Amino acid sequence: SQQGEEDPQALSIQEGENATMNCSYKTSINNLQWYRQNSGRGLVHLILIRSNEREKHSGRLRVTLDTSKKSSSLLITASRAADTASYFCATPKDTGRRALTFGSGTRLQVQP
Amino acid sequence: DTGVSQDPRHKITKRGQNVTFRCDPISEHNRLYWYRQTLGQGPEFLTYFQNEAQLEKSRLLSDRFSAERPKGSFSTLEIQRTEQGDSAMYLCASSFRDRPQETQYFGPGTRLLVL
Repeated sequence: SQQGEEDPQALSIQEGENATMNCSYKTSINNLQWYRQNSGRGLVHLILIRSNEREKHSGRLRVTLDTSKKSSSLLITASRAADTASYFCATPKDTGRRALTFGSGTRLQVQP
Repeated sequence: DTGVSQDPRHKITKRGQNVTFRCDPISEHNRLYWYRQTLGQGPEFLTYFQNEAQLEKSRLLSDRFSAERPKGSFSTLEIQRTEQGDSAMYLCASSFRDRPQETQYFGPGTRLLVL
């Protein structure tokens, strides 16, 4: 699998429920980023977590990072219909490299 | 901060034609990136500039693709002799060098359809 693979591929929940998406990666990283993409649009940066951080919050978003397991999770609490989008994690291709590697994303559908 | 802009937003062309896309990064950002995204996949890195210097190119960037950033501000991506497999969303992103753990900010993309 590619560096930065999201799981599940698709997720459908009801408004108000929490949504959890996971990301696994292969190589050592100095940071991991989560992006959101609405259908047919560009990517919106959500949050960056550094390799020395274990958890980070931003509004209704909570990101965790476990470097020993090479995995990260994104939790969206109290989801809204407007959260419907694809969510991608991204990691630098190699330490010190600028290019990001993205997984194929998790497609989240929040039913009103 | 007006964000990253891209032009055109949509382009339909016939196979064999040349196309050129433009990206205007956030004004104080000195790093600029091009990615390509096909349906149902995440973006794939194509190339990266720091100021006007092209510092990294992916193997995805065949010899039909060329990118420039002549004055370290806007960038162009040209595809010569387009093929149907070039149909994709082309995304531009920019970042600021001096920010630690820099974040890349993406534009809305140019969707290319090659008939």
